[in-house]
Amino acid sequence: KQEVTQIPAALSVPEGENLVLNCSFTDSAIYNLQWFRQDPGKGLTSLLLIQSSQREQTSGRLNASLDKSSGRSTLYIAASQPGDSATYLCAVREVDTGFQKLVFGTGTRLLVSP
Amino acid sequence: NAGVTQTPKFQVLKTGQSMTLQCAQDMNHNSMYWYRQDPGMGLRLIYYSASEGTTDKGEVPNGYNVSRLNKREFSLRLESAAPSQTSVYFCASSYSGYTFGSGTRLTVV
Repeated sequence: KQEVTQIPAALSVPEGENLVLNCSFTDSAIYNLQWFRQDPGKGLTSLLLIQSSQREQTSGRLNASLDKSSGRSTLYIAASQPGDSATYLCAVREVDTGFQKLVFGTGTRLLVSP
Repeated sequence: NAGVTQTPKFQVLKTGQSMTLQCAQDMNHNSMYWYRQDPGMGLRLIYYSASEGTTDKGEVPNGYNVSRLNKREFSLRLESAAPSQTSVYFCASSYSGYTFGSGTRLTVV
């Protein structure tokens, strides 16, 4: 059974720092990996989608990498801002009985202080 | 804006009452999903629909039923609500990546 782990569970940094969020998964047979952001009391916003054949994706200050063979992904946030404060979720899309399902980690709660 | 729309946003039910959570997407996606999110448990898949006319159980289907009314709409029904079903419910659709609705916060008292 696919398991997705995110470390750390919580992270507090001062504004301006560069930071890395980690995601690991147990089964490397995935179709893609997606990073989401969730603000308190809100839904999930997709940040980056990395296909299994890709190594990384970038969007603005965000860069996500994927090492499928080792079961790891990282989300790099450059020059963090207070508006980046949120919970970040990693999810892998796996194949199960012919249908692709998304398996989530439990998230990293990020607080960026002014 | 294109996306996934869920209704209602909030709901309080008494134990034993029934209700239907509505979800619609306008992105022409074949696949749709219902998740629940609980503190410390992450998001767990309740039911999914790979395409119009098909539905399948996910990780935690007990106490729920679903209907894929057409390609756009996928509803989740609680026939007899229980306090254990207090949660935040998210609908999603996908082609390659997933798009989520804003959620329904359900409290069962």
